[in-house]
Amino acid sequence: QKEVEQNSGPLSVPEGAIASLNCTYSDRGSQSFFWYRQYSGKSPELIMFIYSNGDKEDGRFTAQLNKASQYVSLLIRDSQPSDSATYLCAGQNSGYSTLTFGKGTMLLVSP
Amino acid sequence: GAVVSQHPSRVICKSGTSVKIECRSLDFQATTMFWYRQFPKKSLMLMATSNEGSKATYEQGVEKDKFLINHASLTLSTLTVTSAHPEDSSFYICSARTPQGAGHSSYNEQFFGPGTRLTVL
Repeated sequence: QKEVEQNSGPLSVPEGAIASLNCTYSDRGSQSFFWYRQYSGKSPELIMFIYSNGDKEDGRFTAQLNKASQYVSLLIRDSQPSDSATYLCAGQNSGYSTLTFGKGTMLLVSP
Repeated sequence: GAVVSQHPSRVICKSGTSVKIECRSLDFQATTMFWYRQFPKKSLMLMATSNEGSKATYEQGVEKDKFLINHASLTLSTLTVTSAHPEDSSFYICSARTPQGAGHSSYNEQFFGPGTRLTVL
């Protein structure tokens, strides 16, 4: 059974701080990981994906992957109130297979 | 990113009726589309994988006779909820996978439609 685990939160951070969102996965065959942001009542929006060990940066977002520890994280620098949303982590175990989603972590950024 | 549309965005129907939801990829051809369902405060649950020109692949526990999927073209997939009941009320979201090459990632980027909120009375 493939599982992707996330702390449901909410994770509360003040504006301007770094928000750290974590995700673990059980399937060692997972190769690629995706972070989606979902505002309440809306559909998910792709933020970034990562498939190599290490860090990948895109603007204020940094994804980190550690395959040995089966751990994925998303860092959001200079958090803004508009970043308040649920962040979904998803894993995929081959180039064109389906995604397995975690339950999401709610992030609250206070002004 | 790629654009996926869904129609309708919201539908309210009586129990026993059928509801059709359309999912379109607007600026790319999607050989594969996915249908998800999301209950309040729950994660996305994959219902089925829709492949253009072939039968959909349903996830365990999803009734294929109740949730009819048709992927008749490279830009359109439809989900029909037949004989809908109140327990089918949910947020239905489709996604489309961008094709390999042609400026797209080969790592299965899925772009989601805006979702359809179904309420069955």
